[in-house]
Amino acid sequence: DVKVTQSSRYLVKRTGEKVFLECVQDMDHENMFWYRQDPGLGLRLIYFSYDVKMKEKGDIPEGYSVSREKKERFSLILESASTNQTSMYLCASSLYGTAPRVSQYFGPGTRLLVL
Amino acid sequence: AQKITQTQPGMFVQEKEAVTLDCTYDTSDPSYGLFWYKQPSSGEMIFLIYQGSYDQQNATEGRYSLNFQKARKSANLVISASQLGDSAMYFCAMREDALNTGFQKLVFGTGTRLLVSP
Repeated sequence: DVKVTQSSRYLVKRTGEKVFLECVQDMDHENMFWYRQDPGLGLRLIYFSYDVKMKEKGDIPEGYSVSREKKERFSLILESASTNQTSMYLCASSLYGTAPRVSQYFGPGTRLLVL
Repeated sequence: AQKITQTQPGMFVQEKEAVTLDCTYDTSDPSYGLFWYKQPSSGEMIFLIYQGSYDQQNATEGRYSLNFQKARKSANLVISASQLGDSAMYFCAMREDALNTGFQKLVFGTGTRLLVSP
């Protein structure tokens, strides 16, 4: 079974702090994704990566950066956390390629509260 | 512009009855894929079912089936014989550019919360 793990289920940070959210997958997937989930807005893509050291902006990259130094690990960084970044953050991974029925596999999510 | 629309913020169904969750989409790409995911209160997204734009038949996976109407651009999820454990958020998602990139990016709808009552 694919396993995607996230470093924390719940996190409380102060405004202005630097925040690291870590994600690890064990299925040798090339693609990894970071989403944020807010009520009424669904999941929105922040960043994704298709290879080590490669990254692409998603729909809402402002205020975030990412790092992928190893294939299995994808980190989301909030350089200076703000209250409007309070949200649920979901990491996902998938195979790279054009095969049609390729699903993304998700981690359990991190609920971040910025005070 | 939003490309996946789920118009039902919440749905109620009694145990053992069937329920349909609506999803409409918008794309100009002839090749696309449609996914449904379930999110229980634990938070993890669980893949349920997939429909490809060129698939001739509606997808089925156990109690889940997808009512795919290409001309109407709708991909409704049908859950038969609802169970209490089906209570969760359900998200419809679409993948575009299937033939052009390997990124497998998904665009999600806003979700429908399903509550199954005894």
